[in-house]
Amino acid sequence: QKEVEQNSGPLSVPEGAIASLNCTYSDRVSQSFFWYRQYSGKSPELIMSIYSNGDKEDGRFTAQLNKASQYVSLLIRDSQPSDSATYLCAVNRYNQGGKLIFGQGTELSVKP
Amino acid sequence: DVKVTQSSRYLVKRTGEKVFLECVQDMDHENMFWYRQDPGLGLRLIYFSYDVKMKEKGDIPEGYSVSREKKERFSLILESASTNQTSMYLCASGEQGPSYEQYFGPGTRLTVT
Repeated sequence: QKEVEQNSGPLSVPEGAIASLNCTYSDRVSQSFFWYRQYSGKSPELIMSIYSNGDKEDGRFTAQLNKASQYVSLLIRDSQPSDSATYLCAVNRYNQGGKLIFGQGTELSVKP
Repeated sequence: DVKVTQSSRYLVKRTGEKVFLECVQDMDHENMFWYRQDPGLGLRLIYFSYDVKMKEKGDIPEGYSVSREKKERFSLILESASTNQTSMYLCASGEQGPSYEQYFGPGTRLTVT
C-alpha cells in the first residue's frame, strides 16, 4: 500500500462545477497535510495546508481533513479552465521532521 | 513571498561530466530539499538538510551528493552524470515546524546525452 494515494485521473469537470480531489494516507501519526498545484512543465505551488480535522476554506478552495478515516480532500468551487493542472497531496508524519510524502497527483481538466 | 531560485532552468550535459545544481532561498528556512520528478514516478526525494553542513539521504541518493555551506544555499552534485539522471530537478525549502510547509523553486530540466 502506498503511503499517500490519489486517483491519477484525469478528472474532467465542466467550467463552473465543483471539482473534488481525494487523497488517502496510510500512517495514523501523520500530522500535517498539504495540497500543491502543478501546471505542466512548472514546479509545484502550495495552495492549501490543513492540520486539524474539519474544513479549511481559502477563496474557491476548501480542504477537508478526516484523521479517523485517514482522508484529506480538496474542493474547488466554480472551477475555471485555469484550474486545469495536476494536484499533489502531501503528508508530513510526526516523526519525520520536515519531510513530506507526496502522492502521485491527480490530473484535473476543466472544460469550457 | 517565499523565493526559491535555482541556477538554471535548462541544462544539457554529457555523460561523465560533473554537474552542479544550485538552489538559494531567501526565507531563512532551516530545511532544504532536492527532489527529482519523472513521468509516472512522481516526486522522489534525493537529499535533504535541516541545518548548515548537515545532510541526510532521501529515497534515491545513489549517484548524487549535496553541499550546504550556508543556510540559504543547497547544492546538488552529480559526480559523473549518466543518461538515467535526465530529469526535472526541484529544490524546496521549508520551515522546521510546526507547519512544515515546503516551497519549491522553478526547477531545472537536466538532459544528459
